Amino acid sequence: NAGVTQTPKFRVLKTGQSMTLLCAQDMNHEYMYWYRQDPGMGLRLIHYSVGEGTTAKGEVPDGYNVSRLKKQNFLLGLESAAPSQTSVYFCASSPGTLVGYGYTFGSGTRLTVV
Amino acid sequence: GESVGLHLPTLSVQEGDNSIINCAYSNSASDYFIWYKQESGKGPQFIIDIRSNMDKRQGQRVTVLLNKTVKHLSLQIAATQPGDSAVYFCAEPSPGGSYIPTFGRGTSLIVHP
Repeated sequence: NAGVTQTPKFRVLKTGQSMTLLCAQDMNHEYMYWYRQDPGMGLRLIHYSVGEGTTAKGEVPDGYNVSRLKKQNFLLGLESAAPSQTSVYFCASSPGTLVGYGYTFGSGTRLTVV
Repeated sequence: GESVGLHLPTLSVQEGDNSIINCAYSNSASDYFIWYKQESGKGPQFIIDIRSNMDKRQGQRVTVLLNKTVKHLSLQIAATQPGDSAVYFCAEPSPGGSYIPTFGRGTSLIVHP
């Protein structure tokens, strides 16, 4: 049972380039989330999804887009990367039945924008 | 605005000591709290949770205490081990009652052998 898998684990982008981060979960969870984590800032919610085909904005959505075409996958896109998007990105999923219950995180993607 | 916060950003202890990590919350309507542990290079992992109708909950070597009067949450780790070195986050429901938690900034626990 893999849980939540994120790819890639590391990436370096030039300013203006685009990329997609992939998150896959095999727990049949309804809810999926993308967070960014910066030093001293804790986890900040970028976008989330409460089910296949649905997405919603979180605390810091600007500069990112997401898609949830399949229940098990949640994609995070950066259309034109900026140095301010240098961060560690975490995907998470949960059953959605109780806040924080069953929350499972991936191991993270370290993104550097130069 | 209301937020989850931590009193100490870094806590250093000796192996074998007990550790106490504190968290203050300001949303009096929060009815559920969770503690997460994040080891270096990994994603956060669930440790223990507590509902607002409880004052104390115990797990394996960990105890969470909830004081609703002063809106304070603490995580106690008994006989701290080097493997306990990590950043610890508390979390509470986001304002509005969604199923999405709001995470605190985190406390770094450093255990010296």
